[in-house]
Amino acid sequence: AQKVTQAQTEISVVEKEDVTLDCVYETRDTTYYLFWYKQPPSGELVFLIRRNSFDEQNEISGRYSWNFQKSTSSFNFTITASQVVDSAVYFCALPLYGFQKLVFGTGTRLLVSP
Amino acid sequence: DSGVTQTPKHLITATGQRVTLRCSPRSGDLSVYWYQQSLDQGLQFLIHYYNGEERAKGNILERFSAQQFPDLHSELNLSSLELGDSALYFCASSLQTSGGADTQYFGPGTRLTVL
Repeated sequence: AQKVTQAQTEISVVEKEDVTLDCVYETRDTTYYLFWYKQPPSGELVFLIRRNSFDEQNEISGRYSWNFQKSTSSFNFTITASQVVDSAVYFCALPLYGFQKLVFGTGTRLLVSP
Repeated sequence: DSGVTQTPKHLITATGQRVTLRCSPRSGDLSVYWYQQSLDQGLQFLIHYYNGEERAKGNILERFSAQQFPDLHSELNLSSLELGDSALYFCASSLQTSGGADTQYFGPGTRLTVL
């Protein structure tokens, strides 16, 4: 099966804590991409990052970083020094059939309290 | 703002009714995708159109249909509505069809409530 598993349903942290959101994927493809999206309380889905299977280097964007490890089929997302505005549901997604569809994980709800 | 627009933002209707959700893709994007987000099913792919042609179908009920028009906007038609159809419906767009490594950009969604 081709699927994405986000085992953490909900994580609560206090502002300025670092937090890591886990994503484990299964795919038959030898070349593939993975995505992270953010869904804030307002409801829209916001694209965060796209990575391909050729590149396992960590990606850093401000307080966000992503760790892609093919050996463990994981694509984890770390927020450093979390802020209240980071409170949202975060989804990991795997495109299938040549990008015809995205298969989403069940999401991780992150609550950052002041 | 992703550049994808969806109307209406909210829709409340009764069981048995029919509704139409509308989506305008980002400027230049040829592909439109529809997804349904419900509490029990999560985010599920419904259907994909590329430049007016249906390219892929997911878990879309027979009561649901979609089309993409020559100006590239898309409509999702939901008929004989049931309580279980209450959900957030997202439209997404990307530049091209299969083979490309395109990112799907999502609209703000239409929240459908069936009473």
